Amino acid sequence: EDQVTQSPEALRLQEGESSSLNCSYTVSGLRGLFWYRQDPGKGPEFLFTLYSAGEEKEKERLKATLTKKESFLHITAPKPEDSATYLCAVRSNSGYALNFGKGTSLLVTP
Amino acid sequence: NAGVTQTPKFQVLKTGQSMTLQCAQDMNHEYMSWYRQDPGMGLRLIHYSVGAGITDQGEVPNGYNVSRSTTEDFPLRLLSAAPSQTSVYFCASRPTGGNTDTQYFGPGTRLTVL
Repeated sequence: EDQVTQSPEALRLQEGESSSLNCSYTVSGLRGLFWYRQDPGKGPEFLFTLYSAGEEKEKERLKATLTKKESFLHITAPKPEDSATYLCAVRSNSGYALNFGKGTSLLVTP
Repeated sequence: NAGVTQTPKFQVLKTGQSMTLQCAQDMNHEYMSWYRQDPGMGLRLIHYSVGAGITDQGEVPNGYNVSRSTTEDFPLRLLSAAPSQTSVYFCASRPTGGNTDTQYFGPGTRLTVL
């Protein structure tokens, strides 16, 4: 059974203080690992898809990396507008659905 | 494109009432799915569909019915609402072919069952 564990559950950063969010996973054949951002009262917004170990993707202050067991979402010099819940999900080769972790709630203070 | 739309945005029901949550997408996506999101539980899959006329159960299907008569629409039916179904419901869609797995989510329906 696919499992996705995100850590920490919550993270508070000062503006400009870089950090990383972790997503550990077990899946029988990885079809893709997905990162989403979710603002309060909104639906998840797609950020990245990673398909194989060693792959990296960047978007503004965010950089996602992937190994065979985990993915990191690095946030460089965050701003208050980066405050949100970040969700990680995996899809296995044998299934259609995404299996989500519980998310990391990020708060960036000025 | 409007993307994935959901109605209503908010709904309050009494125990035992029935209702349908609407979901529509205008991207011609074959795959559509319904999730519920509860505090501390993350997003959990209720039902999904890989095309018109084809549906299947997800992780938490009990108490919910779905049908897919068109590519665009994927309604979720609660036949007899229970307080345990109080949650935020998200519909999502993505194409099943091609080089992308990107799944797009709707804005959600917040349901309270009293």
